[in-house]
Amino acid sequence: NAGVTQTPKFQVLKTGQSMTLQCAQDMNHNSMYWYRQDPGMGLRLIYYSASEGTTDKGEVPNGYNVSRLNKREFSLRLESAAPSQTSVYFCASSEHLLNSGNTIYFGEGSWLTVV
Amino acid sequence: AQKVTQAQTEISVVEKEDVTLDCVYETRDTTYYLFWYKQPPSGELVFLIRRNSFDEQNEISGRYSWNFQKSTSSFNFTITASQVVDSAVYFCALSEAHGQAGTALIFGKGTTLSVSS
Repeated sequence: NAGVTQTPKFQVLKTGQSMTLQCAQDMNHNSMYWYRQDPGMGLRLIYYSASEGTTDKGEVPNGYNVSRLNKREFSLRLESAAPSQTSVYFCASSEHLLNSGNTIYFGEGSWLTVV
Repeated sequence: AQKVTQAQTEISVVEKEDVTLDCVYETRDTTYYLFWYKQPPSGELVFLIRRNSFDEQNEISGRYSWNFQKSTSSFNFTITASQVVDSAVYFCALSEAHGQAGTALIFGKGTTLSVSS
């Protein structure tokens, strides 16, 4: 009963380092998302993938890249981490895009600190 | 523009009190979807309910109930006989059938509920 699984759960990076957050879902969902959560800002969409083979920018894509590796996996990469990217990152998935009235399910979050 | 407002930043109650969390939304779309999520201290986001814009029937699930009123653009959440385990941040969210917002959820800033024993 895993749902959406993301790794790592905690990570500390130095400014300029790169890293990849991994996400996998076992619900056979077509659409996947990466959000970031910051105090007082709520959750903001970074990138999403409507279906395997497609990715699109969300509200705050700068400094990030994504890869939809297959239907199950959607990774988020920080090429050169900056302190402004200190945040909690959530991966999520839904059967189809949300404008079809689908429900989005979230992973447990990844706490990233950039020093 | 689409927007979700949760005016209550923090609410503190004593166990067994009833509490209502307010959510007001803005959208120009005629078809939209409203959600509530719970984020307990452990950090995960837990889906609670989805409501379609064409279904104004209120819903009750155990101690939880939701009041959807299109006339006031509100989707309020009531917890009856609150318990300490209800302590969490609660988010209201909106997605639209048309337009860019249909690709993602628009979240409110959240309401932190603290229930003391």
